[in-house]
Amino acid sequence: QPQLQESGPGLVKSSETLSLTCSVSNGTIANSSFYWGWIRQPPGKGLEWIGTIYDSGNTDYHPYLTYYNPSLNSRVTMSVDRSRNQFSLDLTSVTAADTAVYYCARRGDNGRAFDFWGQGTMVTVSS
Amino acid sequence: DIQMTQSPSYVSASVGDRVTITCRASQNIRSWLAWYQQEPGKAPKLLIYSASRLQSGVPSRFSGSGSGTEFSLTINNLQPEDSATYHCQQANSFPRTFGGGTKVEIK
Repeated sequence: QPQLQESGPGLVKSSETLSLTCSVSNGTIANSSFYWGWIRQPPGKGLEWIGTIYDSGNTDYHPYLTYYNPSLNSRVTMSVDRSRNQFSLDLTSVTAADTAVYYCARRGDNGRAFDFWGQGTMVTVSS
Repeated sequence: DIQMTQSPSYVSASVGDRVTITCRASQNIRSWLAWYQQEPGKAPKLLIYSASRLQSGVPSRFSGSGSGTEFSLTINNLQPEDSATYHCQQANSFPRTFGGGTKVEIK
């Protein structure tokens, strides 16, 4: 079974960029049938999908597919580091509303659902 | 965006009871619906995908049904370890959206 682990700073200043990494073990991000996503959960609230990335493993033009939540107003960028088997999230111009637990997850073959999740990492935006 | 509306937001039931949670989509999502269980302080866990298919390793007392815009998650023979918050999520189109969650408490 794959294991996912989020890492990154727990405290980010307002207006700066939040950067998180998800390390994947027992599975390969690139050149698989799986997609990889970020989901967040503000304290005491529900889940919000941030974005999903797919790495075809190709070395040619456009090897990645990305899907982002338009509610985040183009502040989101996701990427893959194949050498480290990691994928990342950058969220720019953060505010207190971005304070949340951030989860990375794998979208499996079953019904497009997220079947494996990291434990989550709490990120607080301070003023 | 497709809005997902869960009801009730809270339910309290006894061990052995049957609990049903409903999720309504604002437009047709066919069978692209998943249910997750989230215990306090933990990541969500996939229970049901494609509206009615049980994820491997999930107890058979959990079941899902529905298609189109109306879906339900049923927990038969409620157990103490089922105390958690349950979320539905549509996977029909982007952006993916979740319901507001239903907290299940054991009396």
